[in-house]
Amino acid sequence: GENVEQHPSTLSVQEGDSAVIKCTYSDSASNYFPWYKQELGKGPQLIIDIRSNVGEKKDQRIAVTLNKTAKHFSLHITETQPEDSAVYFCAARPGSARQLTFGSGTQLTVLP
Amino acid sequence: AAGVIQSPRHLIKEKRETATLKCYPIPRHDTVYWYQQGPGQDPQFLISFYEKMQSDKGSIPDRFSAQQFSDYHSELNMSSLELGDSALYFCASSLGRYPTDGYTFGSGTRLTVV
Repeated sequence: GENVEQHPSTLSVQEGDSAVIKCTYSDSASNYFPWYKQELGKGPQLIIDIRSNVGEKKDQRIAVTLNKTAKHFSLHITETQPEDSAVYFCAARPGSARQLTFGSGTQLTVLP
Repeated sequence: AAGVIQSPRHLIKEKRETATLKCYPIPRHDTVYWYQQGPGQDPQFLISFYEKMQSDKGSIPDRFSAQQFSDYHSELNMSSLELGDSALYFCASSLGRYPTDGYTFGSGTRLTVV
């Protein structure tokens, strides 16, 4: 089955700086890669996703890049704000599957 | 917009008791997924249903069972509870047998087994 690894497990940045979280996946058949933000005591919230036929996608301060050859994808957050502080999970899904496989999560702390 | 509704939000049970968690998907969504998230862990897939039939099974213990009803809501039944079952339980819903987008998660049920 699919295996997703996520790094780093914790990340602290100063407000206004950029944050990058990286994930690798094992199943070359995976074709859908969402990113979720989870605040304390809440359910994961989808913030951006990318499909395997696209190399990069951007939504305001958030961008995701995908390298299919290397089987890795990254989340980029620019101009970070304190409210960006949360746990971020990457996930992958092979085309033949319905469920997502999650990475282990990154605790992002944006320091004011 | 209507979201995924889970109840209860919090539940405290003793060891060996039973618990029932409920999930109401987004209207018109026909697929429901259950995930378990331990402290500091990523969500682990338990089981999913499409059109009231089990579609996939993950790491769900034999002590747990689930079903999806005619109105598409789902219930996760947990028996002979153990301390290790303490976790956040999330339900997510999507549309279609093979969803092309990410799920929408509910706010979760925090189960504490004492």
